[in-house]
Amino acid sequence: KQEVTQIPAALSVPEGENLVLNCSFTDSAIYNLQWFRQDPGKGLTSLLLIQSSQREQTSGRLNASLDKSSGRSTLYIAASQPGDSATYLCAPGGNNRKLIWGLGTSLAVNP
Amino acid sequence: DAGVIQSPRHEVTEMGQEVTLRCKPISGHNSLFWYRQTMMRGLELLIYFNNNVPIDDSGMPEDRFSAKMPNASFSTLKIQPSEPRDSAVYFCASSFGSPIGEQFFGPGTRLTVL
Repeated sequence: KQEVTQIPAALSVPEGENLVLNCSFTDSAIYNLQWFRQDPGKGLTSLLLIQSSQREQTSGRLNASLDKSSGRSTLYIAASQPGDSATYLCAPGGNNRKLIWGLGTSLAVNP
Repeated sequence: DAGVIQSPRHEVTEMGQEVTLRCKPISGHNSLFWYRQTMMRGLELLIYFNNNVPIDDSGMPEDRFSAKMPNASFSTLKIQPSEPRDSAVYFCASSFGSPIGEQFFGPGTRLTVL
């Protein structure tokens, strides 16, 4: 059974810092992995989707990497801004065609 | 497109009452998902449909929960009878193509069962 762990559970940083969010999963037989953002009281927004054959994906200040064999993914946020404050969730997609979710990392970027 | 639409946004009910949550997926999407989110368990997939057909309902907690998708533009999740432990935020999401492709989420329904 796939299990997803996100470390740290919470993170508070000053504006402008570069930061890394970590995601680990126990079953490396994944089809893809997605990173989502959730703002308080709102739904989730897809940020990046990495196919199992890819090593990384980039969108603006965000870069997600995937090391399938070691069961790890990282989300790198460059030059963080207060508007980046949210909860970030990773979700590997398995061959059972379902996403399995971590509990997320709650990020606070302080002005 | 307006995105995934869910109603109601908030629902407060008493234990034993029937609750119906509604979802309109993004036009053209052929997969629809119902999720439940709690602080303790995080996000859990309840059921998903592909081309209006239920594909996997293994996440439905018990027979009190049922879901339907009568057409490509509408789905319901029903809880009857409701219990306090059903209190959570329920999300609907849709995608096009693979069920594990990019998913688009609605704003959620916050359910409180007293």
